[in-house]
Amino acid sequence: DAEITQSPRHKITETGRQVTLACHQTWNHNNMFWYRQDLGHGLRLIHYSYGVQDTNKGEVSDGYSVSRSNTEDLPLTLESAASSQTSVYFCASSTEVSQETQYFGPGTRLLVL
Amino acid sequence: GQNIDQPTEMTATEGAIVQINCTYQTSGFNGLFWYQQHAGEAPTFLSYNVLDGLEEKGRFSSFLSRSKGYSYLLLKELQMKDSASYLCAVPGGGFKTIFGAGTRLFVKA
Repeated sequence: DAEITQSPRHKITETGRQVTLACHQTWNHNNMFWYRQDLGHGLRLIHYSYGVQDTNKGEVSDGYSVSRSNTEDLPLTLESAASSQTSVYFCASSTEVSQETQYFGPGTRLLVL
Repeated sequence: GQNIDQPTEMTATEGAIVQINCTYQTSGFNGLFWYQQHAGEAPTFLSYNVLDGLEEKGRFSSFLSRSKGYSYLLLKELQMKDSASYLCAVPGGGFKTIFGAGTRLFVKA
């Protein structure tokens, strides 16, 4: 069955370290998104991609980067982790034909100490 | 820009009906989404309204009034498993989606 996975599911890191969160989907979707979810803020868009080699900044992109070298993967990198980046991170994908449905990965809980 | 408002929390009794409201302001409009998110899990798609009116899907129904910038999600015959957060969302341009902060629903016995 097609699915979207994230790894790791939980991560503890230290301030200043570089961290990469993986997102892999087998839906063959062109559109992929990274969100962070914090209490009181809901889901906020970090970066998104509409296809290979395409990346765009969302509303809270500072301190994060993404790359899209193939259809299946959109890794999210925290260049120098900060305590403010402690959050739950969700990856999602959608098709351009049925963009009304976003399929979410299980999430990654990141703690920055 | 987009602005979405929904209540932070609601409590209802098992077997009852509950209505979760959402008001929005958006520069353009291509529909309104509802997602369900159980604690510790990913959001899952519930409904998508493009036209005014009520759309029913089993125990869940979603209503939209574009002229009023208003939607609600109606849950009937509440079950304990319906305890979750319900996220209202609107298209954010391109293929992006803008999510509200969500309404946490507690269903009590």
